[in-house]
Amino acid sequence: QQQVKQSPQSLIVQKGGISIINCAYENTAFDYFPWYQQFPGKGPALLIAIRPDVSEKKEGRFTISFNKSAKQFSLHIMDSQPGDSATYFCAARETSYDKVIFGPGTSLSVIP
Amino acid sequence: ETGVTQTPRHLVMGMTNKKSLKCEQHLGHNAMYWYKQSAKKPLELMFVYSLEERVENNSVPSRFSPECPNSSHLFLHLHTLQPEDSALYLCASSQERYFNEQFFGPGTRLTVL
Repeated sequence: QQQVKQSPQSLIVQKGGISIINCAYENTAFDYFPWYQQFPGKGPALLIAIRPDVSEKKEGRFTISFNKSAKQFSLHIMDSQPGDSATYFCAARETSYDKVIFGPGTSLSVIP
Repeated sequence: ETGVTQTPRHLVMGMTNKKSLKCEQHLGHNAMYWYKQSAKKPLELMFVYSLEERVENNSVPSRFSPECPNSSHLFLHLHTLQPEDSALYLCASSQERYFNEQFFGPGTRLTVL
């Protein structure tokens, strides 16, 4: 019940295309859902996050869509660029507990 | 230096060695974390420190021993490790223990021979 599932494991997208990464969770007590971006040789960095009281959050080219009833959320990267090539982790957190559960990650490659 | 720094960036050690990983945060945060990142697996939280007090230990083997001498520094002491302990070890910090945003360091790539 503490797992966060993430798909696909890897993704190749043409420059200018839309990258979509999906995540699912079981624990309905989770109340914070961040996405992290990790470049090779670097630690993960918070990209965008959402709380379950909204269905969508957009920051620039990055959008989180959240479906509370389905217990699913996804990251959309519009107009994907080669500089977006990185590993993306979804995560879920129950704020009353100091533990973030991470998905296994998606390796995104944006090709010119 | 800004953000969260970790040293060394790479470490190769034998199973009988003793070594330490160091993390320093320059953000004025009160909570610090150790994570283990293995290939194709989710990040695993190992330890949580809040105001220099260990508040969580996720069933980590005793061959990993954390130390937090002050709110800016965190160490992970390693001894008699196993090859399966080879991984990227990430340090992170957050403003307070339950604060949502965590800032990660670049990690130490550990190889146990």
